[in-house]
Amino acid sequence: AQSVAQPEDQVNVAEGNPLTVKCTYSVSGNPYLFWYVQYPNRGLQFLLKYITGDNLVKGSYGFEAEFNKSQTSFHLKKPSALVSDSALYFCAVRDIAGNFNKFYFGSGTKLNVKP
Amino acid sequence: DAGVIQSPRHEVTEMGQEVTLRCKPISGHNSLFWYRQTMMRGLELLIYFNNNVPIDDSGMPEDRFSAKMPNASFSTLKIQPSEPRDSAVYFCASIPSWGRNTIYFGEGSWLTVV
Repeated sequence: AQSVAQPEDQVNVAEGNPLTVKCTYSVSGNPYLFWYVQYPNRGLQFLLKYITGDNLVKGSYGFEAEFNKSQTSFHLKKPSALVSDSALYFCAVRDIAGNFNKFYFGSGTKLNVKP
Repeated sequence: DAGVIQSPRHEVTEMGQEVTLRCKPISGHNSLFWYRQTMMRGLELLIYFNNNVPIDDSGMPEDRFSAKMPNASFSTLKIQPSEPRDSAVYFCASIPSWGRNTIYFGEGSWLTVV
């Protein structure tokens, strides 16, 4: 079965410091991986995706993510955090082995960036 | 592009009343999803449609919940009768069924059942 895990409910970081939000996945075959951000009282917004190619993918708002096949991880990173990055972040995997349209979302990680 | 459009954005209703949530997917997207988000359970997939046909409704919690997609540009999620435990944010999302595209979410319908 396809699944993603976000081991941290919350990540706290000071503004200007690098941030990492962790995600591990379990899929059959090659994964299609995604990160989404949810600001308060808003829907989920697409940040970036990995389908194939370079393991380091860059996305919106200065975020990037590193695909690591051996560790089955897809951690979200940013070199310098902003207070405005405070939000809920979701990792997701798309089922391409079975039901192609189904997305599996992690439980979400709340990122708090302190001034 | 107008994005996925949901209505109402906020609804407060009394227990036992019927609730209907509406969704207009992005034009050209032929797969539509309904999700529910709560603090306790996170983001749950309720049902999804492909070309207006329900493909997987295994996430629909009970018979009180029903969803329809009468045409490519409109879907409804109905709860009848509503209960306080149905209070949640309900998201609609859409995607083309081909290619490697991502899924696009609406802004959500915030439901409170008192």
